[in-house]
Order: sequence, then structure tokens, then C-alpha cells
Amino acid sequence: DAGVIQSPRHEVTEMGQEVTLRCKPISGHNSLFWYRQTMMRGLELLIYFNNNVPIDDSGMPEDRFSAKMPNASFSTLKIQPSEPRDSAVYFCASSLVYRWGNGETQYFGPGTRLLVL
Amino acid sequence: ILNVEQSPQSLHVQEGDSTNFTCSFPSSNFYALHWYRWETAKSPEALFVMTLNGDEKKKGRISATLNTKEGYSYLYIKGSQPEDSATYLCAFINNNNDMRFGAGTRLTVKP
Repeated sequence: DAGVIQSPRHEVTEMGQEVTLRCKPISGHNSLFWYRQTMMRGLELLIYFNNNVPIDDSGMPEDRFSAKMPNASFSTLKIQPSEPRDSAVYFCASSLVYRWGNGETQYFGPGTRLLVL
Repeated sequence: ILNVEQSPQSLHVQEGDSTNFTCSFPSSNFYALHWYRWETAKSPEALFVMTLNGDEKKKGRISATLNTKEGYSYLYIKGSQPEDSATYLCAFINNNNDMRFGAGTRLTVKP
């Protein structure tokens, strides 16, 4: 398996522009997670899906952020409009189940490094 | 608020030294604890999933213990090598399926 695939790997945009980050989970995994990593706050869970349904979006910072999972093999994280403070590395991860334990774990993608000027 | 703390924040050791660091988490409502290894410019990789009090897991020179009653887990590295240099993250999951990562311990192993 190719693992979790994220695109783009790097994104530079100007403040106010819409940014769309993409993720393809590992085939057969039922759960997908979006994380943001910053120096100030470390790794934060933004939202996760189970069987394409959003389970918990309490980590989404504000209404400018939205995430969708239209099918089992694709998810997007959108920021509109983007702001400089959104600059971070955004990771996508997938797992067989969203209820962890008994050996299940997450597999992380390579991340998208976002810079908003 | 789920308070997950890791100490120390960073650690420098010589090649061949053994080392350990700590993850502290709430002692109530525990479900699972994960350890991840995160090399610079890469993505986190799972090391251990721990669920039972007293659990001890081992992978090569790396091992971890778990004490859910007092709310801590130790990660040990025996005979550190330069390739062990990475940030080691723990993630606490409670019975509500809430997950919080610690800030990580950045380990540097000098040859």
C-alpha cells in the first residue's frame, strides 16, 4: 500500500485566498483524521471521520475551516479565507477504527506545509 | 481539559547511552495511550499502543511502560543510536474517545 497520500506537499498562498488540502487514506481504513502542527500548539486534532461521517469537529479552529469526506478514499480540508496564522503543517491520518485500543493505531501522511503570506 | 505533559522537552545524549522520558496524563477515564516517533521532515510513526495498567511493550531497543492509576508512561531507549534522534510523542485517549497529544520530547543522540 502507498500509505496515506496528501497533496499538495507544499502550498504558499496569499491572505484571503481559499486553500484546499487533499488526503487519500489507506485503502480499507474506516477512519480519517486531520491534524494541524504548529510550534506554539504542537499537534492538534482538528476533525475526524468514521465511515465518511464527521464524528468530532470540536478541534476545528473557526468557521473558516471546513472538511469533507465525500467517499471512503478522499477527504478535503478547506480554509476560506486563509490568514497568516493558518500557516502550519497539516497532517492527515487514517486508521481501521476510530475507537482506539487493542493494537489499532493511526498511519500519518507526509503532511502539507502551508504558508499564508 | 485533557492535560498531557511530556518531560523533558528536549534531551541530548551520547551514542550508547540509555535514556528515558515521561508522558503524564489524567488518571481517570483512561482508554489508551499511544507512543509515536516523529523524525524531522517526516510524519509521526506509531511505536506502541498501550491499554492495560502495567503494560510493558518492547520494539528492539525501545520499550514502554504504563501506569494508568497514577497517570504516567515511560519510554526507554537502550544504547541510543544517532538514528534514534527524533521527537517522541505520546497521545492519550479517554473513554469518550477524546485524544490529546503531548508536546513531545525531542531527543538528539550525538555520535
